[in-house]
Amino acid sequence: GAVVSQHPSRVICKSGTSVKIECRSLDFQATTMFWYRQFPKQSLMLMATSNEGSKATYEQGVEKDKFLINHASLTLSTLTVTSAHPEDSSFYICSANLGHHYGYTFGSGTRLTVV
Amino acid sequence: GESVGLHLPTLSVQEGDNSIINCAYSNSASDYFIWYKQESGKGPQFIIDIRSNMDKRQGQRVTVLLNKTVKHLSLQIAATQPGDSAVYFCAENRSGGSNYKLTFGKGTLLTVNP
Repeated sequence: GAVVSQHPSRVICKSGTSVKIECRSLDFQATTMFWYRQFPKQSLMLMATSNEGSKATYEQGVEKDKFLINHASLTLSTLTVTSAHPEDSSFYICSANLGHHYGYTFGSGTRLTVV
Repeated sequence: GESVGLHLPTLSVQEGDNSIINCAYSNSASDYFIWYKQESGKGPQFIIDIRSNMDKRQGQRVTVLLNKTVKHLSLQIAATQPGDSAVYFCAENRSGGSNYKLTFGKGTLLTVNP
């Protein structure tokens, strides 16, 4: 089946630094990928939709200059958390759509801790 | 605003019993619904889906029911096992022109007691 590989699985960084998270589609081409954030005991909240070759579409309230998304190829989307602060500590998850009504496949998530 | 929500935040069952997890949605234009299982520290895992032109769909030990009249979705797990313990999310697929995205409900924590 379609697999999305997400790395790293965990990262600890110092406040003020930037962190890049990668999401790769392994055996299919993903023209659209989605980035979610999940705080403890809460649901997944969509942050942005990443489109190959074009600018990402951000959800209301998500700072596009803080959460940089790059989708330069059909198999790779990256999320960079810039100038990270402790409140950015969260579980970040990527997803790819397999076509309308064909479902979505999710990465395994990245646990970001900012100290 | 439009949202997908759940009636029960937690559910505790005995091993071997059947489990029912409920979900309410508010967007009548949603045309595709998915149930996911999420274990601690992992990404969501697909369980079963249903399209809006269906009322029921069955999988292995799982059944999803869709009631469009009252905008209600349920997940039934037969003969629940300890390995079923996880958080379960319903998700609503909303189409908007050429874009579509998945919106998640709040989640239900299912605990299976041996």
